[in-house]
Amino acid sequence: AQSVTQLGSHVSVSEGALVLLRCNYSSSVPPYLFWYVQYPNQGLQLLLKYTSAATLVKGINGFEAEFKKSETSFHLTKPSAHMSDAAEYFCAVSSMNSGYSTLTFGKGTMLLVSP
Amino acid sequence: DAGVIQSPRHEVTEMGQEVTLRCKPISGHNSLFWYRQTMMRGLELLIYFNNNVPIDDSGMPEDRFSAKMPNASFSTLKIQPSEPRDSAVYFCASSLGAGVPYEQYFGPGTRLTVT
Repeated sequence: AQSVTQLGSHVSVSEGALVLLRCNYSSSVPPYLFWYVQYPNQGLQLLLKYTSAATLVKGINGFEAEFKKSETSFHLTKPSAHMSDAAEYFCAVSSMNSGYSTLTFGKGTMLLVSP
Repeated sequence: DAGVIQSPRHEVTEMGQEVTLRCKPISGHNSLFWYRQTMMRGLELLIYFNNNVPIDDSGMPEDRFSAKMPNASFSTLKIQPSEPRDSAVYFCASSLGAGVPYEQYFGPGTRLTVT
């Protein structure tokens, strides 16, 4: 079965600093991977997705993630944090069951941005 | 498009009462998912539908939970009778297809409090 591990339930950075949120996956087949963001009192919003094309994926709001098969990782980065980036971030891996696709989510990482 | 619509946004009820949560998926999407989010357990998939047919309800916690999708534009999640441990945020999500790992689009959620 596919699974996702997000290292660190909370990450704190200063405004302008590099953001690095870690995600490792386990999958028996080539994975499709996703990063979602959840702002307070809102639903999850897709940031970016990896679907076996380019290993470096660019998303919205300046975020990007790199798929590394050898490390089974899909870490999310942003060169310079903004206060508006403060939110919870979820990594997810797609699973296929009997021809139907579902997403398995990690526990989430709360990003805190200080001035 | 208005996105996935959920109602109500907040529900407070007493233990033992029936609760019905509603969802309208994005027009043209043929897969619909119900999730529950809590601090302890994170984001859990409860049930999903494809072309209005329930595909997998193994995530439904107990027989007190039931879900229906009478047509392509409406789904309900019912809890009867409700218990305090059902307090959570319930999300509905929809996606374009089933056989390919399309991204899921989430509604704003219903925050349920059972006293």
